[in-house]
Amino acid sequence: KNQVEQSPQSLIILEGKNCTLQCNYTVSPFSNLRWYKQDTGRGPVSLTIMTFSENTKSNGRYTATLDADTKQSSLHITASQLSDSASYICVVSGYSSASKIIFGSGTRLSIRP
Amino acid sequence: NAGVTQTPKFQVLKTGQSMTLQCAQDMNHNSMYWYRQDPGMGLRLIYYSASEGTTDKGEVPNGYNVSRLNKREFSLRLESAAPSQTSVYFCASSGQLFSDEQFFGPGTRLTVL
Repeated sequence: KNQVEQSPQSLIILEGKNCTLQCNYTVSPFSNLRWYKQDTGRGPVSLTIMTFSENTKSNGRYTATLDADTKQSSLHITASQLSDSASYICVVSGYSSASKIIFGSGTRLSIRP
Repeated sequence: NAGVTQTPKFQVLKTGQSMTLQCAQDMNHNSMYWYRQDPGMGLRLIYYSASEGTTDKGEVPNGYNVSRLNKREFSLRLESAAPSQTSVYFCASSGQLFSDEQFFGPGTRLTVL
């Protein structure tokens, strides 16, 4: 079964600290993996996209990594800010009809001052 | 340049009532999507449209119908609402189907009593 699992479910860190969010997937064959940020009460916004051949992709203080062999991805946030408080969603697109696009349930990140 | 707009923002229905959720995008995208988001679960694809004039079922299409009115507009209809359809509904659009970044609307919070 094609699945995307994220951990932890929720995380609280102090402002200025770093954190890493995890995503494991079983989607195969795999097209690409995106990380989205969803602020409360709003739609998701794309942060990064990675294809099979990419290992690392950065977007400001956000760095995503991908290990296609182990089917794992991580999102590292550096020097967290209060505005980073949001849900972070891992989304995997596959090539088969059963895996067009699968969303993880997200990690709820709270940054405390 | 509004991006993706959705109406209404909030709606309360009684079981058995019908309604249509409206979505429009001004980015000249070919593909449009409807998702539902329930607590503790990832977004689930209801229907999608690869291009004007075509629509296809996603993961959870039962109880819904869609219309791709033109390139800009993609509506979602609930013919006979049920409490299980209480959810937040998101419309999204992208250039290429599934592989491109999706741009999401602000969502419609629907409660069915």
